[in-house]
Amino acid sequence: GAGVSQTPSNKVTEKGKYVELRCDPISGHTALYWYRQSLGQGPEFLIYFQGTGAADDSGLPNDRFFAVRPEGSVSTLKIQRTERGDSAVYLCASSLLGANGYTFGSGTRLTVV
Amino acid sequence: DQQVKQNSPSLSVQEGRISILNCDYTNSMFDYFLWYKKYPAEGPTFLISISSIKDKNEDGRFTVFLNKSAKHLSLHIVPSQPGDSAVYFCAANNEKLTFGTGTRLTIIP
Repeated sequence: GAGVSQTPSNKVTEKGKYVELRCDPISGHTALYWYRQSLGQGPEFLIYFQGTGAADDSGLPNDRFFAVRPEGSVSTLKIQRTERGDSAVYLCASSLLGANGYTFGSGTRLTVV
Repeated sequence: DQQVKQNSPSLSVQEGRISILNCDYTNSMFDYFLWYKKYPAEGPTFLISISSIKDKNEDGRFTVFLNKSAKHLSLHIVPSQPGDSAVYFCAANNEKLTFGTGTRLTIIP
């Protein structure tokens, strides 16, 4: 596609439930990033994929968070046993290998009630 | 530990005047710096960047200045236009981007 696509754009879930957030990067972009932006903050790094493998997952806050990219294209961020503190905008970005700048999607606004 | 800092949460500038947004960083390993612009309900969009080996990069109305000894960079927008009203994020690259907390710029017509 022309840009990075994220679905859903909004997700409201109950505390304790499981959610999946999807990211469809720009075709041909080998690098894919997940960030989380809380109110009044800048985007915070979660995980980075180079191809199918997670090259750096140091930003995942705990083991409730997991992400996959099985075919080196679409990625899914999975959150188990959601908590109210997980409420944020989850941003996905992609780039060509070695590029300094990323192209971001519009994000998924997750609200845990 | 905030490695990239934007100490001004907001800034208001008259249309036609210069807007100056500031950013400080602590990690000397950052090798590339970028500015992103964000409108509500949209993802950040790339605006301008600068390599750590340069001290200035200009693109139309936008200029980024880098002072490595002070670990400081700034974005100048001149002349400012109403469409420039947005949140601006400074970001620094060292294998991945680290973002500041953003500055909300409002251009007053």
